[in-house]
Amino acid sequence: NAGVMQNPRHLVRRRGQEARLRCSPMKGHSHVYWYRQLPEEGLKFMVYLQKENIIDESGMPKERFSAEFPKEGPSILRIQQVVRGDSAAYFCASSRSRGTDTQYFGPGTRLTVL
Amino acid sequence: AQSVTQPDIHITVSEGASLELRCNYSYGATPYLFWYVQSPGQGLQLLLKYFSGDTLVQGIKGFEAEFKRSQSSFNLRKPSVHWSDAAEYFCAVGIADTGGFKTIFGAGTRLFVKA
Repeated sequence: NAGVMQNPRHLVRRRGQEARLRCSPMKGHSHVYWYRQLPEEGLKFMVYLQKENIIDESGMPKERFSAEFPKEGPSILRIQQVVRGDSAAYFCASSRSRGTDTQYFGPGTRLTVL
Repeated sequence: AQSVTQPDIHITVSEGASLELRCNYSYGATPYLFWYVQSPGQGLQLLLKYFSGDTLVQGIKGFEAEFKRSQSSFNLRKPSVHWSDAAEYFCAVGIADTGGFKTIFGAGTRLFVKA
């Protein structure tokens, strides 16, 4: 867990609002991964980004969800028009290089949709 | 399709007893295999990983895991459990393809430790 920062740690939104989740990778890491964890379930891969590029978004819902990792600043996972089913813990991980390099996880953002 | 199965949702062991958490995977090629631990309200911490070579892998906190290709298994073991090991444990498979690298997690096994 060392070094990957996520904020906020807890986020409450009403249905229809937007949620923005931020992830700052470890220093020197340019690869970021987002996962979603529903209650009593394992983590599900959502998206893999490298600086300014989306490499694999095969796990992202087709609508309302987007992710970016700009040249400067944190990676952002954005959920528009949230619904109750979006309530989950969202984890970010980072790695130094692509592929099999170890991923280090942040503490997660727990999103609650009222 | 690739998948990871952790057959035990919960396991309870006595402090000092040995532990084995089961993990089976489904993947056509040689997988990259991981075990992570998650304490309540926390992110995941890597315990150990297998990429190639010796099929018995040593990790942190006294854990080890053995890759058995014939059984498609990667079970996690610890000879003597401590109360602080109570947590949720996730087995995962890493898959490298043209799209990059993604990790597929099992549903987890929650470990309870009794005094």
